[in-house]
Amino acid sequence: EVQLVESGGGLVQPGGSLRLSCVVSGFSFSPNWMSWVRQAPGKGLEWVANIKPDGGVENYVDAVKGRFTISRDNGKSSLYLQMNSLTVEDTAVYYCATGSGWHDYWGRGTPVTVSS
Amino acid sequence: EIVLTQSPGTVSLSPGERAILSCRASQSVASNCLAWYRQKPGQAPRLLIYGIFSRATGIPDRFSGSGSGTDFTLTISRLDPEDSAVYHCQQYGTAPITFGQGTRLEIK
Repeated sequence: EVQLVESGGGLVQPGGSLRLSCVVSGFSFSPNWMSWVRQAPGKGLEWVANIKPDGGVENYVDAVKGRFTISRDNGKSSLYLQMNSLTVEDTAVYYCATGSGWHDYWGRGTPVTVSS
Repeated sequence: EIVLTQSPGTVSLSPGERAILSCRASQSVASNCLAWYRQKPGQAPRLLIYGIFSRATGIPDRFSGSGSGTDFTLTISRLDPEDSAVYHCQQYGTAPITFGQGTRLEIK
């Protein structure tokens, strides 16, 4: 069974930082692109970032460029999202997902709330 | 970026009926790169369709995708109460990847 389990979300003040993690099991992690997708309360889905299997290419939505960094550890089948300079607009549930195009598998998400 | 507009915003149908959900792109979607997802309350999205037409693993043939260029459709036949959810379309052919705002399907 494929499982993606996110962690690291929580309440943070504007300007603060968080690091999200996603551990993947039951899936061949290292040869596959991985992505982060978020969903603000009551809103649609928004692609955030993706990363090539070897970590050599990263892509970001304009809204997070320069503030967020996606990374991975293939030895630990883990995906990360370092989020800096957070704003209230970053409040959302953050999902990790397989693939760089369509997403076959998703985690249950970790909520991030940016508020003073 | 490509803006995807889904319609209707909400639709209410009865079990056994057919749902036709629309996704319109602001410009042509490259290389058939259009997917559909279903999201039930409190759950992660689940892939239904990719490449406009292809059903994901385990998705029954009640679900079918069609369209080309800028206009795409997800058709769900023989509606079941379990189909109550929000349905999202996604284009992944042109950076940045974008999603529609979703269509809420209610089963009476």
